Amino acid sequence: QKEVEQNSGPLSVPEGAIASLNCTYSDRGSQSFFWYRQYSGKSPELIMFIYSNGDKEDGRFTAQLNKASQYVSLLIRDSQPSDSATYLCAGKNSGGYQKVTFGTGTKLQVIP
Amino acid sequence: GAVVSQHPSWVICKSGTSVKIECRSLDFQATTMFWYRQFPKQSLMLMATSNEGSKATYEQGVEKDKFLINHASLTLSTLTVTSAHPEDSSFYICSASRDSRKETQYFGPGTRLLVL
Repeated sequence: QKEVEQNSGPLSVPEGAIASLNCTYSDRGSQSFFWYRQYSGKSPELIMFIYSNGDKEDGRFTAQLNKASQYVSLLIRDSQPSDSATYLCAGKNSGGYQKVTFGTGTKLQVIP
Repeated sequence: GAVVSQHPSWVICKSGTSVKIECRSLDFQATTMFWYRQFPKQSLMLMATSNEGSKATYEQGVEKDKFLINHASLTLSTLTVTSAHPEDSSFYICSASRDSRKETQYFGPGTRLLVL
């Protein structure tokens, strides 16, 4: 079982719509979660991190965390073609050796 | 802040040679640096975690004698791919964490290695 799971997509949304990206995790003790954006051929760049249950908003981005359901999501409002990329969800494991585990990413395509 | 650089950005080498990749945190001190490898259309694979002044912790299946990691200072870590072979061709990406809790990682731009 993968520790962090994402649908690989592609997820296609029209320009201006809300894109909803989802991620589930298996380690119930995970405390911190991150969303990264990776353009093709480039390295990941941090979008947001979230530690607490609920929503966290930053500009057009909203991260949502539900620890009871072991579910993390990223909403992108007013999607733009420049948002087209692969979005990586990552969680920091609990336990003595803490490391961040990445999902395989969801490819988002914003259609003009 | 939180800028991470990598050098070189591209390497083409012959099979059997060794390649060194540098990862630098430019505007912060990185207590921990991470090395990842990413093959085309695949996700990031963590190779090792490096703490300044101590030996790196390698992930299962990663040969420590082949991928030598040195974290000599709080701003520099190096990855040396020894006796590189074509199957080592990949996109190598480092990241750095600036807090002691090893939370948020900031990624370098990556190094593309092509072994002929």
